Amino acid sequence: KAGVTQTPRYLIKTRGQQVTLSCSPISGHRSVSWYQQTPGQGLQFLFEYFSETQRNKGNFPGRFSGRQFSNSRSEMNVSTLELGDSALYLCASKGLAGGGSTDTQYFGPGTRLTVL
Amino acid sequence: GESVGLHLPTLSVQEGDNSIINCAYSNSASDYFIWYKQESGKGPQFIIDIRSNMDKRQGQRVTVLLNKTVKHLSLQIAATQPGDSAVYFCAEIPGGYNKLIFGAGTRLAVHP
Repeated sequence: KAGVTQTPRYLIKTRGQQVTLSCSPISGHRSVSWYQQTPGQGLQFLFEYFSETQRNKGNFPGRFSGRQFSNSRSEMNVSTLELGDSALYLCASKGLAGGGSTDTQYFGPGTRLTVL
Repeated sequence: GESVGLHLPTLSVQEGDNSIINCAYSNSASDYFIWYKQESGKGPQFIIDIRSNMDKRQGQRVTVLLNKTVKHLSLQIAATQPGDSAVYFCAEIPGGYNKLIFGAGTRLAVHP
């Protein structure tokens, strides 16, 4: 099976702009989660979508939002970008794939967002 | 390349030695644990998992040990190779939720 794919891989934006990131899960996986990774805060959970519904949400401001489509592909959006939003944004899909259980989350390569 | 973490604890080992990476988890209600490996410029890669009803699980060259009494998880890598050099994260899933809570990570440096 193909792995989780994320586009774009790199993005540079300026403060105040908005950005949309895309994630395609492993075929057959219906749960997609998003994480933010920074050197200072590590890996932090943003939200999870399952069957087009947000099922869990982390402690991030409302500027961070997401959605999921009927084919399980997901997008996340960050509005009014701040310098502190610079991070690696990772998408993970959940299910059977590479040796784990049905609860295992498999990650994509991430989108590196730089806010200037 | 991208920096996963600037001030991570580092474990340095010689090629061929065994490595042990430790992790203290936070939630006694967590019932599923995963170890991930992250190389520079890549997303976390699944290594091995364990459920709370087990205390040991073995994979290829890797073993995970779970001690629920002290909320401690460890990853043992046998015959460590240069390709094992990466940052290793433990992650837990509290029961009833589907979000991973990650540890801070440990950088493993393998020297020839």
